[in-house]
Formats: sequence, C-alpha cells, structure tokens
Amino acid sequence: GIQVEQSPPDLILQEGANSTLRCNFSDSVNNLQWFHQNPWGQLINLFYIPSGTKQNGRLSATTVATERYSLLYISSSQTTDSGVYFCAVDRWGQNFVFGPGTRLSVLP
Amino acid sequence: EAGVAQSPRYKIIEKRQSVAFWCNPISGHATLYWYQQILGQGPKLLIQFQNNGVVDDSQLPKDRFSAERLKGVDSTLKIQPAKLEDSAVYLCASSLERGTFIRDGYTFGSGTRLTVV
Repeated sequence: GIQVEQSPPDLILQEGANSTLRCNFSDSVNNLQWFHQNPWGQLINLFYIPSGTKQNGRLSATTVATERYSLLYISSSQTTDSGVYFCAVDRWGQNFVFGPGTRLSVLP
Repeated sequence: EAGVAQSPRYKIIEKRQSVAFWCNPISGHATLYWYQQILGQGPKLLIQFQNNGVVDDSQLPKDRFSAERLKGVDSTLKIQPAKLEDSAVYLCASSLERGTFIRDGYTFGSGTRLTVV
C-alpha cells in the first residue's frame, strides 16, 4: 500500500516563529488532507489539497503532486497551534492512509 | 450542526475483558468509519460502513473485534477479549458518502481512550 512519511517528527518553536512541515507519499494520490489534532485529541480539518496552493489565515499549504510531497506552512505561530499535524492521503478506490504526524510545541 | 458523538470518553478494563464503544454520526451522513489511534501514531482505519453495509474491514482483527451499524445510523465497536496492545484511542468519523474529507463533510468525533491493564 501507499506509504506516507512526515518530517520533522517533533518541532519546538518560540511563539511568533514560522515553520514548515513536510509530507511525502510513495505513489500518486487522489486526495490529500492536512489535519490538526489538538491536545484534547480532536482532529480538525485544515486543508483539502491534492494539488496546488491554499491559504487560510496564518496557515498555507502546497502540494506538488508530480513530486509526491506536500508542505504545510505555519506563520507567526501561537501556543494554540500546538498539537500534532497529520497528512492523510487516499488513492482511487482505496481508503485513507495517515502519516505518523509532526508533533508541534509552541512555547510562550 | 451537531458533531459526531462518541461514548464513553474513557474506559479502563483488564485484559481478557470485553468492551464496547458507541458512535452517533452526523445526521444524514451515510458513511461511518472507525479508526484506531495508538499513542504516537496516526489513525488507522478499522472498518468503514456505507449505510448499514460494510465497505472495508480489511484491517479489522476479526478474531476479537466486531462492529455493527444497525439501521444505518448509530454504530457499536466491540472488543472481546481485549489485549494489552488494544490500548489506544478509538475514533469514529462520518461523511456524506465515501469520498474526500472536506467535500463530503468528513468529521471526526472526540474519540474513546481505552486503557487495557
């Protein structure tokens, strides 16, 4: 099946700093989604982005489908950005596969 | 709009005991998913229902896990007997139909944290 890798596994930032999270996948995909899992365990949709670039406030994402990677950018990080960021992909006719996640800690 | 409801929020059981989790999806959502999330890992799909039929249960350990979705609404996931390695968060999600996350309103519940001792 398709393999999903994320880097870095852990990231510690000072409030106000910027960061880039990466998701690599081993085969072409139909869909790609970024999630944020908050410290209480709730998974929240961030972006549906199988290709191209999207922005939502301080967050933006870019997927280069031909090179099989996606990037999530967080600017001016806040303590509320802490948690685990997952990318998840699916292929035609198959179910979703999640990456292992990047654990982000934003310090005040 | 109410979200995906799950209960209980936490459960602690001894190994070899049985346990059941309940999920109520968003009204009108035809597709329901159960995921297992082991500490430090991403969620792994256990089973997917379309209405009250099973679409995919290829990763469900059928010797001990079972799930049902009677009447195509609520669903129950059961483990019998539980093992230590079943300790995880069990997440339920629902969507309008099988498809992508946002376009079909894919939404996760808050999960049930199971500890097997």
